[in-house]
Amino acid sequence: AQTVTQSQPEMSVQEAETVTLSCTYDTSESDYYLFWYKQPPSRQMILVIRQEAYKQQNATENRFSVNFQKAAKSFSLKISDSQLGDAAMYFCAYRSTTYGNKLVFGAGTILRVKS
Amino acid sequence: DVKVTQSSRYLVKRTGEKVFLECVQDMDHENMFWYRQDPGLGLRLIYFSYDVKMKEKGDIPEGYSVSREKKERFSLILESASTNQTSMYLCASRLVREDQPQHFGDGTRLSIL
Repeated sequence: AQTVTQSQPEMSVQEAETVTLSCTYDTSESDYYLFWYKQPPSRQMILVIRQEAYKQQNATENRFSVNFQKAAKSFSLKISDSQLGDAAMYFCAYRSTTYGNKLVFGAGTILRVKS
Repeated sequence: DVKVTQSSRYLVKRTGEKVFLECVQDMDHENMFWYRQDPGLGLRLIYFSYDVKMKEKGDIPEGYSVSREKKERFSLILESASTNQTSMYLCASRLVREDQPQHFGDGTRLSIL
């Protein structure tokens, strides 16, 4: 079974600076999807960024980018120019292409942004 | 935009009660999911449905059942609520296309007293 590990329960960053959230996963599959979701306090969980494992190029969405290291099974999220609105719980998630319905989530990382 | 609506944001029930959590999506998605979210454990899948009247157990189905009579609605049922079912419950839906993500509702914070 696949597992997802987020080793940082909490992180802090100063406004306008850069922060990286870590995620590692375990799988025997070669093709899969990885996601970062953001859950602001008392608000809906939304998709931040996704990566297909067969793509070598790291995904980027505005200030959010990933460092996908397939051999190391690592999928970190970099947030540049951090803003107060980035404060949230961030979840890393894995989805198989073989058993495509299920997402496997990490435990989450709380990101605090200091002004 | 996809809209996934959960019927209640907060719910308080008593031990032994039968509890219904409702979820509706407006984008004709085939797949729907129920998760529970607990601190330090992330989200864990309770049940999912890949189409009307079709359901499959997730990782923690014990004590729960589901119903999907219409495509847009997916109900989670706690047959006899217990205090260890106090949690945040999240519903999600997804279009069955490989690159499509899951879309989540706002969540229901359920307390069992």
